[in-house]
Amino acid sequence: AQTVTQSQPEMSVQEAETVTLSCTYDTSESNYYLFWYKQPPSRQMILVIRQEAYKQQNATENRFSVNFQKAAKSFSLKISDSQLGDTAMYFCAFMKGGGSEKLVFGKGTKLTVNP
Amino acid sequence: GAGVSQSPSNKVTEKGKDVELRCDPISGHTALYWYRQSLGQGLEFLIYFQGNSAPDKSGLPSDRFSAERTGGSVSTLTIQRTQQEDSAVYLCASSPVVGTQYFGPGTRLTVL
Repeated sequence: AQTVTQSQPEMSVQEAETVTLSCTYDTSESNYYLFWYKQPPSRQMILVIRQEAYKQQNATENRFSVNFQKAAKSFSLKISDSQLGDTAMYFCAFMKGGGSEKLVFGKGTKLTVNP
Repeated sequence: GAGVSQSPSNKVTEKGKDVELRCDPISGHTALYWYRQSLGQGLEFLIYFQGNSAPDKSGLPSDRFSAERTGGSVSTLTIQRTQQEDSAVYLCASSPVVGTQYFGPGTRLTVL
């Protein structure tokens, strides 16, 4: 079974600074996807970024980027130029490849961006 | 286009009553998932439907939980004889055949 670990229950950052959220996972699969989702107080889970395991290049989406280390089974999220609207719970998630599969989530990191 | 919608947004019920939670997926998405989010257990997979295939029910916590998907679109999650430990946020997601899951706003269930 796959497991996802987020070792930082809470983090805070000053507005405009950079913060990195950690995620490690355990799997014997070779084909899989990794995701970061954001959940603000509104409760809506919003996709932040996605990474296919077969791609060596790290995914980026505007101010969000990942550091994907496949051998180390590490998938960290970097948020640059943090904004107040980035305050939320962030969940790292794993999905096996090959078809529709369930997501396996970490416990989440609560990020607070301070003005 | 419209995203995933869920109803009701909030549901308060008494222990022992049955509840139905509804999910409308994104049009054209063939896969539909239910998850439960609670303080103690985090985010847990419950069940998923893919096209006309038999659903994967491996995450359902007990036989009080069931779900159906009619016409390959709308899904209903039913909890019979609710217990206080069923209190949680129930999230629905949909996806294309292979791809990213998009979530609805969830239903917060409170069992008194």
